[in-house]
Parts: sequence; C-alpha cells; structure tokens
Amino acid sequence: DQQVKQNSPSLSVQEGRISILNCDYTNSMFDYFLWYKKYPAEGPTFLISISSIKDKNEDGRFTVFLNKSAKHLSLHIVPSQPGDSAVYFCAASVGGNKLVFGAGTILRVKS
Amino acid sequence: DTAVSQTPKYLVTQMGNDKSIKCEQNLGHDTMYWYKQDSKKFLKIMFSYNNKELIINETVPNRFSPKSPDKAHLNLHINSLELGDSAVYFCASSPYGVSTDTQYFGPGTRLTVL
Repeated sequence: DQQVKQNSPSLSVQEGRISILNCDYTNSMFDYFLWYKKYPAEGPTFLISISSIKDKNEDGRFTVFLNKSAKHLSLHIVPSQPGDSAVYFCAASVGGNKLVFGAGTILRVKS
Repeated sequence: DTAVSQTPKYLVTQMGNDKSIKCEQNLGHDTMYWYKQDSKKFLKIMFSYNNKELIINETVPNRFSPKSPDKAHLNLHINSLELGDSAVYFCASSPYGVSTDTQYFGPGTRLTVL
C-alpha cells in the first residue's frame, strides 16, 4: 500500500543543469507535501513544502510544483550543484497528521 | 551541538535478544517520533509522543515499546528481536503537536539482527 511513490530510484545530472525529481501519490486526501534531503549517515532534513491550495512554492534554487489533478508533485533544483547530491524523499500528510514517505530518489550531480 | 541524537549508531544482535535504542533532543520540542526505514527504503512512522503522552501508535508488533521518561527523551525498547526487525531506526522531534515541516531527524540507528 504505497501511497507515495517515487518511481525513479536514481537520477544523474550535470552541474549547473536542472534536476527534476518526481513524486506521485494515490491518496486524494493528502493536503500537505514536503521534500526531505538525506546525506549518508545522517537523518533526513526538511527542504521545502507545499500546501494543496497552492501549485508552486519557491525557495532559492528549489521549487516544488503540485498538480493535484494528476496527483503528482515535482522538485526542481536550478542550478544543480555537487553538494545537492543526496537522497531526496517526498512525503505527504493529511491535516498535518503523520507523514507518509516515498522510497526516495538518489540524486548525483556531476561536476 | 547535536539537536537530535541517537545511541547507539550501530547495533548488531542475535535473534531473540532484547535491545534498546535511546533518543534525546535538546531543542525543547514537545513532540518526538520513531520511524523505521526498511530494506525498501521507505520511512514509516511507528510512534509519536507529545509531552510524554502517546499520540500515534501505528500497526507495530507489541514487541516494540516506546518509553518517554521526559519530553526530551524517547527510547525504543524491542523484545525478542526477529530477523525482520533489521532496519535503520530514526528518531525525530517537532516543536508543536504532530506536524509536518518542522520535524528534525536524528542520524539513525542501524539495527542488524542475525
């Protein structure tokens, strides 16, 4: 019962280019979505979030897009930097309740 | 100065043993959580405590028992360990009730059951 899916296990991008990480969800009740970033041997750290009443949220190089009709969200990183290499987790919640995480996408930014 | 710390970082043990993982946060947060990251890499919530009171208890075997002696600590005790308990366990905390973007995670404890 995977309510949050990240279908790409990994992504490789050249430094300076755009990284696009995708996430699909099945529960139409989800109203809050987040992206977490995780380096090896560390816990996840919050990156950016979006409420279901919005379709876009920007924070510096990071932008999250939400397409509710498609039950799809994406994280854009522009420009990508080698320090962005990490595992990115998509997560969702209903009414600020418990987070449901995807399996993560490994991003490698090559210099 | 670590915000959310867990001990031990690695734990290797035999089936049937009982073990504990400790978590401490120095952020003054009211809510703490335990997550399990299994072999498929999904992070799944197990428990959440708010001011020492249990508020989320997912479908977790009774062998897992969280204990919160005070709001800065949430320990996880596991009885009769099984092979399937092998995973990375993350502790997290947040300042208010169960919330979303303000969860701060510890570095994780990798548990291996032989």
